[in-house]
Amino acid sequence: GQQLNQSPQSMFIQEGEDVSMNCTSSSIFNTWLWYKQDPGEGPVLLIALYKAGELTSNGRLTAQFGITRKDSFLNISASIPSDVGIYFCAGLTDSWGKLQFGAGTQVVVTP
Amino acid sequence: DGGITQSPKYLFRKEGQNVTLSCEQNLNHDAMYWYRQDPGQGLRLIYYSQIVNDFQKGDIAEGYSVSREKKESFPLTVTSAQKNPTAFYLCASSIPLTYNEQFFGPGTRLTVL
Repeated sequence: GQQLNQSPQSMFIQEGEDVSMNCTSSSIFNTWLWYKQDPGEGPVLLIALYKAGELTSNGRLTAQFGITRKDSFLNISASIPSDVGIYFCAGLTDSWGKLQFGAGTQVVVTP
Repeated sequence: DGGITQSPKYLFRKEGQNVTLSCEQNLNHDAMYWYRQDPGQGLRLIYYSQIVNDFQKGDIAEGYSVSREKKESFPLTVTSAQKNPTAFYLCASSIPLTYNEQFFGPGTRLTVL
């Protein structure tokens, strides 16, 4: 079952603001993945993290793999309207690929 | 272009009928997965397959069945035994052991009337 706690559940922000969300777990993960899902579409992979302490950027997105390997966070800088959507974290404990997903963070950006 | 396709996008069925959802990938990925998503919730794993002619139950396999006769295809059948089949169904694929990223299809929204 689901082992990841993702927060916040939702965020209402103004355009230009930074956004931060995180996932925590009682289990150790080998990989952290962050996805974005638009309404009625499949999730799209944003960032993949493989090492504890790793900090990776993808444009205005930055994600970090926590040192304890039990958490990860995602930051979005200078938000724009197209950042609207649901962001999911996913963690991998097995070597072959069975992901555990967080419940998602709904991001709403107002002009 | 390489990718994952799911069809149809929307599917309506009467209660008590079996229905099969299609998932095809041309990414040459060995592993394929089926997830179910309910409103306001994360993704829950139904079935997964690491290799052709082999598949394993996920966390919520009851009322579902799959086959993996070809590397490119992983169809999901929602049977009449599934108590609450109305949901958004997502298929994904990956290259396990080497790259752990899973790539998702566009999803099929199933509504049982």
